[in-house]
Order: sequence, then structure tokens, then C-alpha cells
Amino acid sequence: AQSVTQLDSQVPVFEEAPVELRCNYSSSVSVYLFWYVQYPNQGLQLLLKYLSGSTLVKGINGFEAEFNKSQTSFHLRKPSVHISDTAEYFCAVSVGNNDMRFGAGTRLTVKP
Amino acid sequence: DAGITQSPRHKVTETGTPVTLRCHQTENHRYMYWYRQDPGHGLRLIHYSYGVKDTDKGEVSDGYSVSRSKTEDFLLTLESATSSQTSVYFCAISGPRGATNTEAFFGQGTRLTVV
Repeated sequence: AQSVTQLDSQVPVFEEAPVELRCNYSSSVSVYLFWYVQYPNQGLQLLLKYLSGSTLVKGINGFEAEFNKSQTSFHLRKPSVHISDTAEYFCAVSVGNNDMRFGAGTRLTVKP
Repeated sequence: DAGITQSPRHKVTETGTPVTLRCHQTENHRYMYWYRQDPGHGLRLIHYSYGVKDTDKGEVSDGYSVSRSKTEDFLLTLESATSSQTSVYFCAISGPRGATNTEAFFGQGTRLTVV
């Protein structure tokens, strides 16, 4: 089955600095990739997704991610973070059977 | 939250008792999922359903059963709750109008504590 590894469990960063949250996946077939954000005591909200086509995907709140098939990665980036971006971020992968698997999460903390 | 309601939102139960969590959707989505969220593990799939009475196991299905008798309802049952099942449970839906490989929409979660 497919799997996801998020390489950093916690990422502290100062406000207005750039950030990259790393995600690697494993699958023997073509994949569909997602990034979700979870604010405290809430469910998950979709940030962006890659299904096919352009490998650079833009999402909400100024986030973007790049699908790299050769490196099996789907890293999330934002050029300038805000305090309100403090949250937990999850990378997810699915294949044709809608069995979506999630990484362990990366807690992003934006400091003033 | 894409018309997804989980009930109850919080529950404390004793070891050995049965517990049923309910997920109700108003979106007529084909796929429904139950995940559990634990620190350091992210979300792990318990069971999912791809239609009425059609379900399949996820990666952590032991100790759980599910049922889907109507498109809008997906029930998760812990037959005999254990402390290791203390967790936050999320329901999700995907696949509007039979589409595949679309994103999942999540409910607000149910915090279950087994004492």
C-alpha cells in the first residue's frame, strides 16, 4: 500500500520568513497527492492537491507545492508566513481505490 | 464542513463497553471514511465505504466494525472499548457524483476517552 513520510515533526519559523514542509511518498502506482491543514480543535481543510498536469500546484492562503516524481516528493512551501499559519499540516497520498493515507503531520509554529 | 456531522462530539466510556460513533452527510458523496488521529501517527484509516453496504478495512481496523445502510450514514462501532482506542476520530467523505481520487472533506471529529 502507499505511504507517506513527513520529514519534520515540528518547524518553528519567524513571521514573514519562508517555509518548506517536506513530504515523501511511496507507491508502486501513480499517485494523487494532497496537503491538508488542521487548526486547533478542528477538522482538516484542504490546502492544495495534485492529480495530474503541472507539477507546481498553487493552493489557498499563498501555499504551493511541487510534485517531483523522480524524488517521490511533494514539498509544501510558502514565501512569507503569518502568525495565522500556525497549525498542523498533513501530507496525504491516494491511488485509484480512494484509500487515502496520511503522514504523521508537521506542526508549524510561526513566531512574531 | 461540507455537510458532515459527527455525533457525539465527545464521549467518555468504560473499558469493555460497546461504543458507536455516527457520521452523517448531506452531500450524497459515494465514499465515506473513518480515521483515528493520534500524536505522532497522523491520521490512520480504520475503515472506509464505497457505497451502501460496501465497506473495506483500512490499516488499523482491528477492534472496529462499520456499517453503512444508507448513503448518508456511516457508523463506527467499538465492540468492546479498550484504553488503546482513546483517540480523536474523524469521519471524511469524498467522490461527489461517483468521481474518484478527489479530496476528502472532514467532519469536526469525535474525542473518545476510554477509562
